Parts: sequence; C-alpha cells; structure tokens
Amino acid sequence: AQSVSQHNHHVILSEAASLELGCNYSYGGTVNLFWYVQYPGQHLQLLLKYFSGDPLVKGIKGFEAEFIKSKFSFNLRKPSVQWSDTAEYFCAVNGPYSSGSARQLTFGSGTQLTVLP
Amino acid sequence: IAGITQAPTSQILAAGRRMTLRCTQDMRHNAMYWYRQDLGLGLRLIHYSNTAGTTGKGEVPDGYSVSRANTDDFPLTLASAVPSQTSVYFCASSEGGTGGNEQFFGPGTRLTVL
Repeated sequence: AQSVSQHNHHVILSEAASLELGCNYSYGGTVNLFWYVQYPGQHLQLLLKYFSGDPLVKGIKGFEAEFIKSKFSFNLRKPSVQWSDTAEYFCAVNGPYSSGSARQLTFGSGTQLTVLP
Repeated sequence: IAGITQAPTSQILAAGRRMTLRCTQDMRHNAMYWYRQDLGLGLRLIHYSNTAGTTGKGEVPDGYSVSRANTDDFPLTLASAVPSQTSVYFCASSEGGTGGNEQFFGPGTRLTVL
C-alpha cells in the first residue's frame, strides 16, 4: 500500500527564515503529488501539485516543491516565510493507476508550521 | 460561489446515537470522498465514490456507511456512534477519470461523541 512520510511534525521559524518541509512516498510507479495547506480553523486548500514535466513546481504564496523521483521525495520550500504562513501542511500522493483506487489520495500526517513574528 | 458545503458545522452526540453528516457539491464532480482528520494521523479516507451510484471503502470504513444517489450529494452515516469516532470530518470531490485530479475540500464537520 502507498504510504507518505512527513518527517517534521512541528517546525518553528522566525519571519524571513527559509523553509523546507520533507515528504517521501513509498510507491515507485507513476504518481501525482500534492501539497495542501490548512490555516487555523479552515479547510484544506491546494498549495501546489505535480503531474508531469518540470520537476520544480511553483505554487501559490511563493511556495515551490521539487519532485526527485530517485529519492521518492517531494519537498516543499519557501525562501522567506511570513507570520501568515502559520498553518498545517500536508503532502499527498495519488496513485497507482492500475488499481480501483486510482483517484484516491494518501496523505502524510502533516507538519505544523509556526512562524514567529 | 461554487464549492462544497457540509452540515452540520459541529455536533455533540451521545454514544449509540445515529448521525448523518451531509455533503453537497455544485461543481458536477464525478468523484467524492469522506476523510477523518485526527491529530498526528493526518487525513484518512473513510469511503469514496468514483461516480453516482457507486461507492467504495477507504482506509478506515468500519462504523460508517455512505450512499451516492446523485452526483451532488454524498452523505456519511454513523449508525451507532462511539467515542473513537470523535474527529473532524472532511468531504472532498474531484473531477474523476484516470488522471490525478485535484481534490477540493469542504469546511469540515467537528463531531464529538460522548
């Protein structure tokens, strides 16, 4: 079964610090990769996604992620975080296509990011 | 505004009671999903529906049932609630098909079972 690992459960940064959140998945075939963000008290919103093509994906609010197939990774980055980036971040993977569950997402356990003003 | 609505927003329920969480989407998406979110566990899939008239079991289906009578609605029923079902429940939808479609999420229902 597909699994997604987010290694950092809670990250605390000061404003303007750089951010990198790790995400690794277990399946070696064709996958689609997502990062979702959940601001306090709100529902999940899509931050960015990778389906194919350029492995460096740019999303909203200055976030980007790099798909490294050889490492089964899809790490999220932002050069300079803001207080408003305080939220929980979830990595998710969609695949494999050959099964009846092709359109389901497997989520990581989430990383809580706290940005100190 | 197009999207997903869920009701109720929150609910406190006595153990043993029956409860139906409602979910409606107006994006004409084929696929719909129910997740529960628990601290430290992320989101776990309860049930899903690839298209109206079909449903399937996710990772944690026990104690829950769903139906998909039409494209727009995907209710989740707890036949006899237990305290371990205390959680935040999110409904989601996607266009469907064989591609890796983005899922859109509703605002969630916070359920407490006492």
